[in-house]
Amino acid sequence: GAVVSQHPSWVICKSGTSVKIECRSLDFQATTMFWYRQFPKQSLMLMATSNEGSKATYEQGVEKDKFLINHASLTLSTLTVTSAHPEDSSFYICSATLMGVSEQFFGPGTRLTVL
Amino acid sequence: RKEVEQDPGPFNVPEGATVAFNCTYSNSASQSFFWYRQDCRKEPKLLMSVYSSGNEDGRFTAQLNRASQYISLLIRDSKLSDSATYLCAVRENNNDMRFGAGTRLTVKP
Repeated sequence: GAVVSQHPSWVICKSGTSVKIECRSLDFQATTMFWYRQFPKQSLMLMATSNEGSKATYEQGVEKDKFLINHASLTLSTLTVTSAHPEDSSFYICSATLMGVSEQFFGPGTRLTVL
Repeated sequence: RKEVEQDPGPFNVPEGATVAFNCTYSNSASQSFFWYRQDCRKEPKLLMSVYSSGNEDGRFTAQLNRASQYISLLIRDSKLSDSATYLCAVRENNNDMRFGAGTRLTVKP
């Protein structure tokens, strides 16, 4: 149980385009979903926390107008990287939690390359 | 000061060795503690939660010292398959999870 999927698993796009990444909890309803970014040889950096039906809470330094998060249901959150630039190239990972469980369940990640 | 700090390594050890990683955290109100394993270009996978009394899972032992705000991971009888990056993670009272930068372990034959 507690499986989280992400789609796509990798994407290559041109500079200036927007990319949407989906995060789904497959067999549970997630109370909260988290979005992380990881640059090569660096740690996971929390970008934002998302609760269903409410606005995401962004970490300091993360532009909310550039990284749009929509959490429309208890099983789906989306991250849209708007007007992507090469410096946005990274590994984007989502995770989800459920009530009463302290562990976070991670999706397999999406590798974004912006040319 | 970073919220969660780890020695980045790398640790290069021979098979069969015992290796220990430490991690310190800055928020004394942190509630839950974990060790994750991350293989290259993959998502983190939970290795074990860390309990106040310390806990063991096979060759892995985790310890928590709340007074000094550090957690540790001990790996005994290292295997080649233990080669990975080990991330400590701290869950804060607002539900956010903070990760250390990871400690890279390479076990060599």
